[in-house]
This record gives sequence, C-alpha cells and structure tokens, in this order.
Amino acid sequence: SQTIHQWPATLVQPVGSPLSLECTVEGTSNPNLYWYRQAAGRGLQLLFYSVGIGQISSEVPQNLSASRPQDRQFILSSKKLLLSDSGFYLCAWSGTHGETQYFGPGTRLLVL
Amino acid sequence: GQQLNQSPQSMFIQEGEDVSMNCTSSSIFNTWLWYKQDPGEGPVLLIALYKAGELTSNGRLTAQFGITRKDSFLNISASIPSDVGIYFCAGLVAGGTSYGKLTFGQGTILTVHP
Repeated sequence: SQTIHQWPATLVQPVGSPLSLECTVEGTSNPNLYWYRQAAGRGLQLLFYSVGIGQISSEVPQNLSASRPQDRQFILSSKKLLLSDSGFYLCAWSGTHGETQYFGPGTRLLVL
Repeated sequence: GQQLNQSPQSMFIQEGEDVSMNCTSSSIFNTWLWYKQDPGEGPVLLIALYKAGELTSNGRLTAQFGITRKDSFLNISASIPSDVGIYFCAGLVAGGTSYGKLTFGQGTILTVHP
C-alpha cells in the first residue's frame, strides 16, 4: 500500500531563516505530487504541483519554491522566511490522472 | 475561477444524531471527494465519487454526486464522538490535464456532544 511521509512534524523558525520541508511517497511510481498550505484550520491553498522529476508548476506567486529531485521526493523551500509563511503545510500525491489525492500528516510551521 | 460553497460552516449536534452537509459549485465537476481532518493532522479521504448520480457509502457515511454535477452531499448517520473534526468537499475537473487541480470547500466543523 502507498504511504506518504512529511518531516519535520513541527518547526519554529526565525524570520529571515531558510526553510526545507520534505515529503516522500512509498508504494507507487511516478506520482503527481502537490504542496498545499492551510491557514487557521480552514481552506487548502495549492502552492505547487509536479508531474515528474524536475517538473514544478507554481500556482501562486510567493516566497516559497519547490523541487522534485527524485520520483517520490518533493521538497518545499525558502531562502528567507516571512512571518506570513506560518501555517500548516500539506503534501499530497495522486496517480498520473490526478483523480484522487491522498494527503500526508502535515508540517506545522511557525515563523517568529 | 471555480468556487465551492460548503455548508453549514459548523454544526453542534448530540451523539446519535444524523448529520448532513453539502457543497455546491458554479462549475461542473467530474469527481467529488470528501475528506475529514482531525486537529493537527492531514485530511483523510472518506469517499470518492466519479459519476453523476452516484451514491456511495462507507460505513455510517453516505455521499452522493449530484445529477447536475454541480453539487454533492455527505451524510453521517448515528454520530459518535470520534466524528468530530473538519469535513471538506473537493471537486476536480478532469480531462486533458496531466494533474488534478482540486477545488476545496471551506470546510464544515463538526462538534458532537456526548
């Protein structure tokens, strides 16, 4: 069966520091991968999606970037965090047709 | 852009009561998904609907894909305390794309009093 992992689970970072959140998927090949941000427990905003290694599409302009160095690895990064980057970050995967997405456990980021 | 209106925004019910929530859209979707999210965790898929008119059950949960393809509802029968959480609907326009861009409702917060 497929599983999706995210780490760290929680992160507290100062403003201006770099960020790296990691997501990995097991039990499937060539998944579509997604990064979402959720603010205040409501509403999921799609940040990035990827249909293959090195292929990243950005949905909203922002202070973050994403990379996919391996088939089942998706990384969310920032060079300098802003206060507004605080939130709950969720990674998800789907099959190549994208009908159904499955979410990871999430990373809670607090920027101080 | 596509928008999903999910209602109600919150519900406070007694254990044992039935629950109903729904989502409506101004656009046609080819897939409807219902997720439940517990505090501090990622959303968990409850039910996926792929055909207009489809009625699918998962234990005490029942969901339907509206015949117009612009709406869906989720019912929970005989609620229990562990049903507490946030329920999200999500719609997907498929066909011709190599990824699935889900549109999410704003969620229904369910509180169940023992």
